Amino acid sequence: DADVTQTPRNRITKTGKRIMLECSQTKGHDRMYWYRQDPGLGLQLIYYSFDVKDINKGEISDGYSVSRQAQAKFSLSLESAIPNQTALYFCATSGGAGETQYFGPGTRLLVL
Amino acid sequence: GENVEQHPSTLSVQEGDSAVIKCTYSDSASNYFPWYKQELGKRPQLIIDIRSNVGEKKDQRIAVTLNKTAKHFSLHITETQPEDSAVYFCAASKGGNKLVFGAGTILRVKS
Repeated sequence: DADVTQTPRNRITKTGKRIMLECSQTKGHDRMYWYRQDPGLGLQLIYYSFDVKDINKGEISDGYSVSRQAQAKFSLSLESAIPNQTALYFCATSGGAGETQYFGPGTRLLVL
Repeated sequence: GENVEQHPSTLSVQEGDSAVIKCTYSDSASNYFPWYKQELGKRPQLIIDIRSNVGEKKDQRIAVTLNKTAKHFSLHITETQPEDSAVYFCAASKGGNKLVFGAGTILRVKS
């Protein structure tokens, strides 16, 4: 869905570096999510936000932080990257009375 | 918290046959059950969903059934086609839009 974008699409970084993944949406949705996908583990929720002033931890928040800069922007930070944070990261949004989540294209992260 | 288990992890079927993927959930308060399809290298996309006040829902070749008593729900794909090959994820939510996903099923349709 072109209405949800993520940058960068691919990133290689080194252990100990701080990196930020960004998500933007033009769907006007109030709810945004960050997921991590590892082979055989499905999609695991890292953090979610139901509006600009609301931030909640998900299942696997350790080692991650987020910032909701505006209704349309939700960023995920790895304060000090480690190799087991190598994964595919998805942002998603939902809004209104609907519960359907719309995913961004994903960011593939490799931590060396 | 909620736990969703999904089986099988991989499924191979012949083109034209049916495919069934099953999920169980642990929290009886869950009331929304979507299914997402993820093609290789693509993002997950919703293909069908069901709410707890409905036992079955169909959309062309796909259907979902829900058994609240047993706390399980299933995805049925009939007349499978090569383009159905993908990873399928089930999920559960008890409102508030916070989904818990199953581990996924890799479906391969052989032509």
